[in-house]
Amino acid sequence: EAGVTQSPRYAVLQEGQAVSFWCDPISGHDTLYWYQQPRDQGPQLLVYFRDEAVIDNSQLPSDRFSAVRPKGTNSTLKIQSAKQGDTATYLCASSRYEQYFGPGTRLTVL
Amino acid sequence: QQKVQQSPESLTVSEGAMASLNCTFSDGTSNNFRWYRQHSAKGLEVLVSIFSDGEKEEGRFTAHLNRANLHVSLHIREPQPSDSAVYLCAVSMRNYAQGLTFGLGTRVSVFP
Repeated sequence: EAGVTQSPRYAVLQEGQAVSFWCDPISGHDTLYWYQQPRDQGPQLLVYFRDEAVIDNSQLPSDRFSAVRPKGTNSTLKIQSAKQGDTATYLCASSRYEQYFGPGTRLTVL
Repeated sequence: QQKVQQSPESLTVSEGAMASLNCTFSDGTSNNFRWYRQHSAKGLEVLVSIFSDGEKEEGRFTAHLNRANLHVSLHIREPQPSDSAVYLCAVSMRNYAQGLTFGLGTRVSVFP
């Protein structure tokens, strides 16, 4: 069984640029999560979906961050106008019961 | 809002000695607890999930949960250098499908 896959693995941007992260969950997993993990901290939930519906996006900075899962499978997280404070690893996880995490995308904003 | 705190921040142990990690949480209605391991620049690997008071063993990893004391611990039996990583405690509320609240982690270093 393939695990959660994410791309790209690394991204380096200047402040003000946009970036998108892509996640392919484990087949059959109805719930998909995006977490932000700053350096030396634990992951913090940004948003999660059940199928194509957003269940909780209360921690997503809505003015610059957006996330979609249009067909209830793959998902995209986008940052418009990135800031240095967005520097972190972005983790995607999927679940039916237990959450399984992808390898993450390490973002550096200069 | 749920708060999860881990101690110690870092731990150095000799290969073969027991390693013990602690995690406290603030919301006594929490009922899903997990320990994850994160090697540098890699994703999270779930080690143990525990949902009721008591002990649960998964190979060399044993979790102890005491919800009355708002405490869950992880014990690593016979740690090996390959166990050197950051260990994260994660807690969720009644609904297992909700997002997890993580602690800051304990960095474990195992020396031969």
